[in-house]
Amino acid sequence: DARVTQTPRHKVTEMGQEVTMRCQPILGHNTVFWYRQTMMQGLELLAYFRNRAPLDDSGMPKDRFSAEMPDATLATLKIQPSEPRDSAVYFCASGPRTAFRANEQFFGPGTRLTVL
Amino acid sequence: RKEVEQDPGPFNVPEGATVAFNCTYSNSASQSFFWYRQDCRKEPKLLMSVYSSGNEDGRFTAQLNRASQYISLLIRDSKLSDSATYLCVVNIAGREYGNKLVFGAGTILRVKS
Repeated sequence: DARVTQTPRHKVTEMGQEVTMRCQPILGHNTVFWYRQTMMQGLELLAYFRNRAPLDDSGMPKDRFSAEMPDATLATLKIQPSEPRDSAVYFCASGPRTAFRANEQFFGPGTRLTVL
Repeated sequence: RKEVEQDPGPFNVPEGATVAFNCTYSNSASQSFFWYRQDCRKEPKLLMSVYSSGNEDGRFTAQLNRASQYISLLIRDSKLSDSATYLCVVNIAGREYGNKLVFGAGTILRVKS
């Protein structure tokens, strides 16, 4: 049963520290997405990649956030420096290659980040 | 105005009830529509796609009204296990967007015995 995996599942850190979240998309999926979910804002798209190339990162605060895909099996989201307002659940999702199911996204379990 | 709007609820219904959620979207060029389900402290999962002609999957029926730009989800014979947040999702049209989806804030459903 193929799944998107994310690490760490939980992270508590202090303001100003660097946070790196990792995601392993489902093998064969060519699109990868990073979302942030809070009670106030719901699910927001931060960035997404197609075939490892960044396609849209307009939802991401550029001064402190960065997203990369060093290879097809790893996507990273980095926050430096972190702030309390970054506290949220960060989801990674991947989408399959085939045209018919091109719009379905499979989500990982999320990283619950708390910045003190 | 948000791109996808939903009534946040909560909808509190007894087991066996029929409940309906609506959702409106602002981009008239949107092409694909979905309902995702999210359980408490879990990730969203695809519940069903929404087709122009309407579609049914067991107790769930989805409808799309392009003229009015709204999508609906009907759940018949509600079960306790249907308790979750239901997210209305729209695919923004255009080749450059690829798989980009826009999620509504969700509607909370609580089914009680």
